[in-house]
Amino acid sequence: NAGVTQTPKFRILKIGQSMTLQCTQDMNHNYMYWYRQDPGMGLKLIYYSVGAGITDKGEVPNGYNVSRSTTEDFPLRLELAAPSQTSVYFCASSPPGQGGSSPLHFGNGTRLTVT
Amino acid sequence: SQKIEQNSEALNIQEGKTATLTCNYTNYSPAYLQWYRQDPGRGPVFLLLIRENEKEKRKERLKVTFDTTLKQSLFHITASQPADSATYLCAKAAGNKLTFGGGTRVLVKP
Repeated sequence: NAGVTQTPKFRILKIGQSMTLQCTQDMNHNYMYWYRQDPGMGLKLIYYSVGAGITDKGEVPNGYNVSRSTTEDFPLRLELAAPSQTSVYFCASSPPGQGGSSPLHFGNGTRLTVT
Repeated sequence: SQKIEQNSEALNIQEGKTATLTCNYTNYSPAYLQWYRQDPGRGPVFLLLIRENEKEKRKERLKVTFDTTLKQSLFHITASQPADSATYLCAKAAGNKLTFGGGTRVLVKP
């Protein structure tokens, strides 16, 4: 199993450009998540999904969009990139579990710079 | 809102000693707390999970405690090794979402 795969690994965007961060998992996990991590800071939840066709906002959703058309894929879309979106983006997945009983499996991140 | 806090100062420790990290949370006690390890340039990796009604959980040289009265979890690395150098994150669940602390960087010196 490859686990959680994120592409690209690195990207530089100009202000106002848009892009899609790709995330795919091969563990048949229902739950998927997008987090961002700023230098020296913890992970902040952007969006999450509990299954295909279902998405919900996390703590910092503004400036982002997601879709979940399949169990495997959970792309994150940035429209009109801003310098404040410079960060490392992590995708994660987990099997269903109540109240935090399931560990998250993370990809290795996409490092995004907006200039 | 839920807050979960870890000591932001790096922990420097001599090889062979025990490293102890603290995770404090606010509001209600979660049913579970999770601990992760993160190496530079990599995603976090799950280490341990402890339930609300468990006082202590062990895995090899790792030990986690959960005190709902103090609203605190402690994470211990016994007989620490240079390979244990990393950032350690704790996380608390609210429904289907995990909220992470800022992490504590551990540096084990030979």
